[in-house]
Amino acid sequence: DAGVTQSPTHLIKTRGQQVTLRCSPKSGHDTVSWYQQALGQGPQFIFQYYEEEERQRGNFPDRFSGHQFPNYSSELNVNALLLGDSALYLCASSPAGGNTGELFFGEGSRLTVL
Amino acid sequence: AQSVTQLDSQVPVFEEAPVELRCNYSSSVSVYLFWYVQYPNQGLQLLLKYLSGSTLVKGINGFEAEFNKSQTSFHLRKPSVHISDTAEYFCAVSKGDYKLSFGAGTTVTVRA
Repeated sequence: DAGVTQSPTHLIKTRGQQVTLRCSPKSGHDTVSWYQQALGQGPQFIFQYYEEEERQRGNFPDRFSGHQFPNYSSELNVNALLLGDSALYLCASSPAGGNTGELFFGEGSRLTVL
Repeated sequence: AQSVTQLDSQVPVFEEAPVELRCNYSSSVSVYLFWYVQYPNQGLQLLLKYLSGSTLVKGINGFEAEFNKSQTSFHLRKPSVHISDTAEYFCAVSKGDYKLSFGAGTTVTVRA
């Protein structure tokens, strides 16, 4: 049973560019959340998708947007990249109908903005 | 809103010695509490969780944590650490909506 998978694992962009990160949730999971982890810090919640809709959003600007597809996979898009967007972006999924609050994380996509 | 404070940013410890990582949280509602571990260049792995019931929670790899509601704490302990326990440890809180608020992390370095 594959866990949460993310792609790409590493990428380098320049300021002003746009980036798309992808995530496939663990089998049986229907909710996908995205987190940003800057170097030396804890993960920060970006947003959460359920039934192809953004259900919750953290304190991130509109440059950060997302999408969830019918197969529950998800994309994170960041426009007009800034140097401060350099971070590890983590995708997490949670089970359908669950109520434990537990998230299952992928290994992340490390974005470097030059 | 919930928040988490991890009181130690770095904890050096010798192999086979005990370790305690301290975590305090604040919330106006009942919460679920978690400890995650992150090994170098990897994602987060759940060590243990407190949802309800017994305040002493046992997790994987010999770790345990104790929930103390009056002190709003959820400290993580291991009686004897191994070199392989070298990692970053994160305390997190949730009100059950799958939105986690994480602490800044504690780096544990185990030395022989």
